[in-house]
This record gives sequence, structure tokens and C-alpha cells, in this order.
Amino acid sequence: EIVLTQSPGTLSLSPGERATLSCRASQSVTSSYLAWYQQKPGQAPRLLIYGASSRATGIPDRFSGSGSGTDFTLTISRLEPEDFAVYYCQQYGSSPFTFGPGTKVDIK
Amino acid sequence: EVQLVQSGAEVKKPGESLKISCKGSGYSFSYHWIGWVRQMPGKGLEWMGIIYPGDSDTRYSPSFQGQVTISADKSINTAYLQWSSLKASDTAMYYCARLGSGSYYLSHMDVWGKGTTVTVSS
Repeated sequence: EIVLTQSPGTLSLSPGERATLSCRASQSVTSSYLAWYQQKPGQAPRLLIYGASSRATGIPDRFSGSGSGTDFTLTISRLEPEDFAVYYCQQYGSSPFTFGPGTKVDIK
Repeated sequence: EVQLVQSGAEVKKPGESLKISCKGSGYSFSYHWIGWVRQMPGKGLEWMGIIYPGDSDTRYSPSFQGQVTISADKSINTAYLQWSSLKASDTAMYYCARLGSGSYYLSHMDVWGKGTTVTVSS
């Protein structure tokens, strides 16, 4: 089973700042089958990025994903008030399709 | 509009059985895998397993194999998650989600249901 580690656990930033979230896998993720999801309190997760770098439908271009192998990054170029949430990475290249523990982005 | 509508909240006692549902609409239900994800109170997301409604091919996480059963009825566009004997530790929110790559199971989850809260308490 591939174990995903996300860092930092919490990121405290102000609106307008840049957020950089990391996701590291215990072994190489097949074909960059890595996704990022956003979850706000009381809501279901929402797909942001798939295939490590492809934005899902309707996702603003301030969200971008990069990486390959075992190291992946989600970048939010300029935080908007609605971006403060928990972000999870997930690998789907090898069953079971594991999630990382999440990074909470909160308002500084 | 592609949608997954999940059944309502459940309150059960330990040892009882339960089956929750996830109904898809707005797309060809038979031809996309459906997955189930657990979120325990205040915790992260856990991938439980997936099913292909077209032929009921199912894959489970080892953590959930034998603990739950995933099934689907393609004639009514509905997937299910069931327990034969609930425990207090099954208390959680359960989400269903569509896998976005059609019949290919190595896929992200592109559409999510709103979740079903399951509370197990004596």
C-alpha cells in the first residue's frame, strides 16, 4: 500500500498570499495518477487536480499541480477567502487508492 | 447535470445491519466506477473500495475487506454500501463518488455525493 505524507499539517496564511502544499509518496506513483481535493467544513470533497497537473472542470487557474514519482505539489497562487479549507492528495495508480492525511490552510 | 444522491442519515445500535445507497443521474451509470470513502469524525478521508456497475467488478481496500459489502443495481442506477453487524467504530460520514475515467478503474473521483452520516450507539 502506498502511504502519502502531506506537509505542512497546517498552513497559516493571509488572503493574497501564495500557498505551497506538499504530498510525498512512500513509492513512485504510477503514471502520475495523483489527485488533489479540497474540503470545506460540512461539505463533501471537491476535485481540484488530477493526473498531478490537470485542473478539473471549473477550477480557477490560481490552483496548479506539479510533480512526479514520489513528490507532488499543489500551489495556490493568490489565496482567496474561499480557499481556506483542508486539502487532500490521493494516489490512484495502485489499489488501495490511498489519501494523504490532509493540509489545513487557515487564515493567519 | 451529473449527480450522486445519497440516502439519509442513519442511527443504529451495535450489531444491527445497514445498507446505504448512492443514486447516480445525468450520465451512463453502468459505465463509470463508483467508490466509497469513509470520514470518521474530525478525521481524514479513507478509501474503502470501488465497484463497476456494468458487471459488479469490485475492489476493496484491505482495511475494509470483509467488514463491508459494496454492491450495485445498474437497473436503478444505484450503488450500495452495507454492513451485516455494525460497531460503534463504524460511526462516520460515508461518501460515494464517481470515478472520472469511465470503465478504467485507475481514476480520480470527479463527482461526489453529499455524504451519509452513520451513527452507531447503544
